[in-house]
Amino acid sequence: AQSVTQLDSHVSVSEGTPVLLRCNYSSSYSPSLFWYVQHPNKGLQLLLKYTSAATLVKGINGFEAEFKKSETSFHLTKPSAHMSDAAEYFCVVSGSWTLRDDKIIFGKGTRLHILP
Amino acid sequence: DVKVTQSSRYLVKRTGEKVFLECVQDMDHENMFWYRQDPGLGLRLIYFSYDVKMKEKGDIPEGYSVSREKKERFSLILESASTNQTSMYLCASIPIAGGYTGELFFGEGSRLTVL
Repeated sequence: AQSVTQLDSHVSVSEGTPVLLRCNYSSSYSPSLFWYVQHPNKGLQLLLKYTSAATLVKGINGFEAEFKKSETSFHLTKPSAHMSDAAEYFCVVSGSWTLRDDKIIFGKGTRLHILP
Repeated sequence: DVKVTQSSRYLVKRTGEKVFLECVQDMDHENMFWYRQDPGLGLRLIYFSYDVKMKEKGDIPEGYSVSREKKERFSLILESASTNQTSMYLCASIPIAGGYTGELFFGEGSRLTVL
C-alpha cells in the first residue's frame, strides 16, 4: 500500500526568499515520486519526477526536490520565490508498472502564497 | 506537445440533468483517467480506462459512468446530476510505455456547478 502526506496545506513566503514544500510518502516498494503544479483554473503540470536515478532532481522554473529514503521524504525547494510561483502544488507517489496492480496517489495539495 | 482537451471549461446544470464531460487526447495514449478535485481533498480518482471499451472503477465511482469508444476519447457521464457533484473535473492520460513512472498529462479542467 502507498500513501503520501503533504505536511502543510498553506505556505506563505516573501518574494525572493526560499520555498520549502514538504512531502512524506509511504510505499511497500521502490516508489516513483512526482511534484505537479496547478495555477488557478488550470490543469496540473509536471514540475519534476524521481524514478530511482539521481536522488536530487531538478525540475522546471528553478524547482528541485531531494529523495531521502531514510526519511521517506521528497520535499520541494526553490532558492528564491517569484510572484509567478503562487499556485497549488501536489506531491504524487506511484510504485507499479501495472495499471491494475496499483494506483497513482495524490497528496491533498499545498497552496503557495507569495508576499510582495 | 501532448494535448489533452476538455471540451467544456465551465458548465451549469440543474439537479437531475444528464451531464456529459468530454476529454480528447492527441498522443495515442492507452490510459486515460477522470479525477474530481475539491478543496482540501486533493484529486480523487473516479474511473480510469486502459484500453478502448475497457474501464475500471476508481475511488469514488458512485453516481458516475464512463465511455471509451475510441482510443483518443474518454467521456464522463453523470446520469442524474446532484448538487454534491458540483466540482472541478480533471481528465488525464498516460502512455502505457511509461507505466507509472511516466508523466500524467492533464486537461485544463471542467468546472461543473449543479443547481
